[in-house]
Amino acid sequence: EIVLTQSPTTTAASPGEKVTITCLASSSVSNMYWYQQKSGASPKLLIYSTSSLASGVPDRFSGSGSGTSYSLTINTMEAEDAATYYCQQWSSNPLTFGSGTKLEIK
Amino acid sequence: EVQLVESGGGLVQPGRSMKLSCAASGFTFNNYDMAWVCQAPKKGLEWVATISYDGSSTYYRDSVKGRFTISRDNAKSTLYLQMDSLRSEDTATYYCARVPFAYWGQGTLVTVSS
Repeated sequence: EIVLTQSPTTTAASPGEKVTITCLASSSVSNMYWYQQKSGASPKLLIYSTSSLASGVPDRFSGSGSGTSYSLTINTMEAEDAATYYCQQWSSNPLTFGSGTKLEIK
Repeated sequence: EVQLVESGGGLVQPGRSMKLSCAASGFTFNNYDMAWVCQAPKKGLEWVATISYDGSSTYYRDSVKGRFTISRDNAKSTLYLQMDSLRSEDTATYYCARVPFAYWGQGTLVTVSS
């Protein structure tokens, strides 16, 4: 099973600040997916195939990476971006998620 | 508009069974693989099972193999998860999702407790 390790576990950012969340895979994966989950809500797809923006997602979000190292970047933090973020791979069975990064607004 | 609506959750005793349903609308159901993902209280997301668009192939995480069965009725645009021999560690909100996970239901809470 491929283990996805996210860092940081928790972080806070001021409005306008740049935020980067990292996801390290225990083995190489071909693509990474990123989800946003706000309190009490279902997860929402942000990024698919490592760097493609899902429909309706603001372009301040971006994804990058390859092999075992991937990242999600929020170019300018907004209050509505406060949420928990998860990475996910399905290059290898079983499909696995990272343990999540909680992002708070300062 | 794509909609996924889960139902069937609730309180169940350890060792008993429960069947979840997910009613799909707004897309051609039999064109898509479907999956169940769960989230224990205050915990992260965990994939449970996936079924191919025609129901011919199913995949499960190890911890539910032999206890859970994913199925679908394409005529009714409905996805199911039959959960047998439930354990306290199965307590979670169960989401159905259209593969690849661009659409999720609102989730249904399953609590396994005596």
